[in-house]
Amino acid sequence: EAQVTQNPRYLITVTGKKLTVTCSQNMNHEYMSWYRQDPGLGLRQIYYSMNVEVTDKGDVPEGYKVSRKEKRNFPLILESPSPNQTSLYFCASSLARHPSLNEQFFGPGTRLTVL
Amino acid sequence: DAKTTQPPSMDCAEGRAANLPCNHSTISGNEYVYWYRQIHSQGPQYIIHGLKNNETNEMASLIITEDRKSSTLILPHATLRDTAVYYCIVETGANNLFFGTGTRLTVIP
Repeated sequence: EAQVTQNPRYLITVTGKKLTVTCSQNMNHEYMSWYRQDPGLGLRQIYYSMNVEVTDKGDVPEGYKVSRKEKRNFPLILESPSPNQTSLYFCASSLARHPSLNEQFFGPGTRLTVL
Repeated sequence: DAKTTQPPSMDCAEGRAANLPCNHSTISGNEYVYWYRQIHSQGPQYIIHGLKNNETNEMASLIITEDRKSSTLILPHATLRDTAVYYCIVETGANNLFFGTGTRLTVIP
């Protein structure tokens, strides 16, 4: 089954404790991205990756890091989480960034709470 | 990036057609219109996309005006399971995407 998986689905942590949210897709997609969703603000893009070893900032990259060492994986790293990073996070992938091919597949989400 | 404007909320009676509008007045000639929906707090789900011509699939129809400055997503026979937030996005081919806050559609029994 074609899918995007995220782990963990729920996480409660404390300020400053480094964490990683994993994202994996099994569709051989080139493009992957991370979004956060907060009430009243919709989905905002954090980082994206056009392909292996190619990553770039989205609209709200501060406080986050990513890596793309393999095509299927795109982990989101919070080196020193803060309470303002409490949010619902989604990973997504698509075949390519051509406008006609960018049907995005989303993961189930990770609900993160930073105390 | 071309941005979109959608009404924040709409209601639709169950079994009736739901027509969700979207304005994208700054869209360029090679930019596509995509629609997604998000049910509760699940990951958004792709619905349909188009460039100029009207499109139809098993989920919905997409009507794009001739000047391409607006579009309408049509759910022909809305069910309670169609209650969701619907996002209209202009796909520019740029590296980042802007989802906005969408339209919250409530299907009423």
